[in-house]
Order: sequence, then C-alpha cells, then structure tokens
Amino acid sequence: AQSVTQPDIHITVSEGASLELRCNYSYGATPYLFWYVQSPGQGLQLLLKYFSGDTLVQGIKGFEAEFKRSQSSFNLRKPSVHWSDAAEYFCAVGTGTASKLTFGTGTRLQVTL
Amino acid sequence: EAQVTQNPRYLITVTGKKLTVTCSQNMNHEYMSWYRQDPGLGLRQIYYSMNVEVTDKGDVPEGYKVSRKEKRNFPLILESPSPNQTSLYFCASSPTGETQYFGPGTRLLVL
Repeated sequence: AQSVTQPDIHITVSEGASLELRCNYSYGATPYLFWYVQSPGQGLQLLLKYFSGDTLVQGIKGFEAEFKRSQSSFNLRKPSVHWSDAAEYFCAVGTGTASKLTFGTGTRLQVTL
Repeated sequence: EAQVTQNPRYLITVTGKKLTVTCSQNMNHEYMSWYRQDPGLGLRQIYYSMNVEVTDKGDVPEGYKVSRKEKRNFPLILESPSPNQTSLYFCASSPTGETQYFGPGTRLLVL
C-alpha cells in the first residue's frame, strides 16, 4: 500500500523568504504525485501534479515541485513567499486506479511579516 | 461554473440519527470520492465510485454508506452516527481517476 510522509507539521517563514516543504512517498510503481493547498475554512485546491516526464513541475501561484525517484521525494518550493501563502499544504500520492489518493498529514505554513 | 457542491456545509446532530450529506458535480466526471479530514491525520478516503452503480470501500468505510444512482450525485449516508464520526468531510470528483477536484467541505458534529 502507498503512504506519504510530511515530516514538518508546522513551518514559519518570513515574507519574501524561500520555502521548501518536504514530502516523501512509498509506492511500488511510478506514482502520481500531487500538492494541494487548503486555506483556513476552505476546500482543497490543486497546486501541481506529476504524472511522468520532466521531473520539475510548475504549478499555480509560483510554486514548483521536483520529483526525485532515488529519494522517493516530491518537495514543494517557492522562491519568495507571500503572506497570502499561509495555509495548510498536503502532499498526496495516487495509484492511477480507483480514484484513490493517499494524503500526508499536512504541513501548516505560517508567514511572518 | 465547473464545481463540486456539498450540502449541508455545517451539521450538528445527535448519536443515532440518520443523516445524508449530498454531493453533486457538474463536470460529467466518472469518478467520485468521499474523504474525511481529522487533525493530525490528513485526509482519508471513505468510499469511491468509478461510475454509476460502481462503488467500493476506501480506507475508513466503517459506519458509512454511499450510492451512485446518477453520474452527477454521490451522497454519503450515516445510518447511525456516532461521536467518532465528528469530522470535516470532503467530496471530490475526477475525470480520469487521478486529479481530483474537491468540494468546499461539510463540517459534522455528532453529539
């Protein structure tokens, strides 16, 4: 069975600083990987996804993520964080069948001004 | 506007009183799922459906039922709610089974 680990429960960064959120997955085959963002009181919005091809994927809101098969990682990055990026971020792995996503436990991002 | 809608958005009920949370999508998606979100646990899949009349259990199906009689609707039924089903519930739909589009969530409190 697949699993996702987000080792950082809570991260605080200053506005304008760079950001990296970690995600490690466990899955026997090539995974489908996702990053979702959840703002307070809101649903989940897809930031970006990786299915195949270029291992560096670009998403919305200036986010990017890099798939590293050797490290089983799919870390999310942003070069300069804005106060509006404060939210909870979820990494997820999909098997490509049965519409099944397995989510990590999330990383809450706080942005200080 | 393409969207997934859920009703109600907030619900307070008592133990044992049957309830239904509705989910509807207007994108003609084949796949639909239900998740629950609990602090420190992320989102866990309850049930999913690959098409009309085709449903299967996710990771935490106990205490829940679903049905898919129409492509656009995927209601979640709690026949006898218990306090441990207090949670935030999300419905999602997907055209292909991978990228999922989430509804706004339903916050349920079972007393």
